[in-house]
Amino acid sequence: DSGVTQTPKHLITATGQRVTLRCSPRSGDLSVYWYQQSLDQGLQFLIQYYNGEERAKGNILERFSAQQFPDLHSELNLSSLELGDSALYFCASSVGDRGGEQFFGPGTRLTVL
Amino acid sequence: AQTVTQSQPEMSVQEAETVTLSCTYDTSESDYYLFWYKQPPSRQMILVIRQEAYKQQNATENRFSVNFQKAAKSFSLKISDSQLGDAAMYFCAYRILNNDMRFGAGTRLTVKP
Repeated sequence: DSGVTQTPKHLITATGQRVTLRCSPRSGDLSVYWYQQSLDQGLQFLIQYYNGEERAKGNILERFSAQQFPDLHSELNLSSLELGDSALYFCASSVGDRGGEQFFGPGTRLTVL
Repeated sequence: AQTVTQSQPEMSVQEAETVTLSCTYDTSESDYYLFWYKQPPSRQMILVIRQEAYKQQNATENRFSVNFQKAAKSFSLKISDSQLGDAAMYFCAYRILNNDMRFGAGTRLTVKP
C-alpha cells in the first residue's frame, strides 16, 4: 500500500459524458501527478500540482482539467468523453516538486462505451 | 526532449536464474533521477529501485540491482534469483528536477517455473 488513494476504482460511462476522478496523496506529500495508461501502453504524464498550484503540464487534452484543493487532494475532470479516453488513470504523489520518487495510487479504470 | 527507451518488449527467465532489463535515456541534464517501476497484473505501480545521477555507486535493493552508466546514458536492471512473483511489466523512468517523470514503453518479464 503506497498511501495514495484513488476513487472510484472503476468507472463505466458513455461517450459525451463527464466524469471526475479523485486522488488523495500520501500524508505530507505536496505534489500530485496524473498519468494516463492506455491498454498495453506506457504511462503518459498529464499534469502536476504542487501545493495547490499547477506546476507542469504534459499531453493533457483541452477536454481534461484538474485541480488541487487546500487539503491537497486532487481531482481530474474528463469531459466530452470519447471511446479513446478509456484507460487506467493513475495519481501519484511526492514530497516536493524536485526530483525524487513518486508513489502511485491503485488507479481508476475508466471505460467509455 | 527527454526520452526513455526500453529496447526489449518481452523477456523471459527461468526461476532462480538472473535476468537483465535494458534502458537507455536521452538528456542534456547533469542532475536527475532514474527509477525502475514494476507493474504486476494488478496494475499497481510499485517502485523497485532508484538511482541519483550524482551517485557513482550502483543502487541495490535485495535481489534487484542496477548498472548505471552515466556517460553511456544507460540504466539496466538486474534481477537475481528470479521468483515467480517477479513476473510483471517493468518500466524504466527518468526525472529531472522541477519536471515530470518520463517512462519507457516497458518490458514484459515472464518467469518460467
